Amino acid sequence: ETGVTQTPRHLVMGMTNKKSLKCEQHLGHNAMYWYKQSAKKPLELMFVYSLEERVENNSVPSRFSPECPNSSHLFLHLHTLQPEDSALYLCASSQDQGGKLGYGYTFGSGTRLTVV
Amino acid sequence: GQNIDQPTEMTATEGAIVQINCTYQTSGFNGLFWYQQHAGEAPTFLSYNVLDGLEEKGRFSSFLSRSKGYSYLLLKELQMKDSASYLCAVRALDGQNFVFGPGTRLSVLP
Repeated sequence: ETGVTQTPRHLVMGMTNKKSLKCEQHLGHNAMYWYKQSAKKPLELMFVYSLEERVENNSVPSRFSPECPNSSHLFLHLHTLQPEDSALYLCASSQDQGGKLGYGYTFGSGTRLTVV
Repeated sequence: GQNIDQPTEMTATEGAIVQINCTYQTSGFNGLFWYQQHAGEAPTFLSYNVLDGLEEKGRFSSFLSRSKGYSYLLLKELQMKDSASYLCAVRALDGQNFVFGPGTRLSVLP
């Protein structure tokens, strides 16, 4: 267990469904992230939360809606997705203080999403 | 702009040494990280360089040249379990965000 837990591990949803991905970190970190990992493409940053405030929204379509109710939990709400949204969605956390060096991410195992 | 390049795939033999290169052009630099990702699993932190030179950690070493925008990950005494994707990531100046390379899929053969 990496200290960052994501559920569910696998999700198949239709284009008209609404679902949510959940991420929980047990590391006391103060920043959390959503990344999208598609086949043969680099990890793409979607959202960044620092101290529970969204600090980055990387031009992500509105059909993806993040929520960070506290520093330990992060959600990604999904609705009316497209087949091209099928990918591995990774959550990560870090302990950052704006330029504090040497701290990498701790990633969750991801949710494998298939949109049919 | 941000761009990180790595070879897509590499193959090596068990017990050998392999070097995975990474070149980057980013608008800021606050450290370079290497991650290992086995299929279906989370990426895990391997190494970190912020100053030029070589960092050694057991069988793994990572090198950085900031003037050349270049890094490599060196894996010695390869084992079958080293078969994985290796991700190069550059940290932006704001200290929070990473730009990831496409990853290099390494296959270790017996």
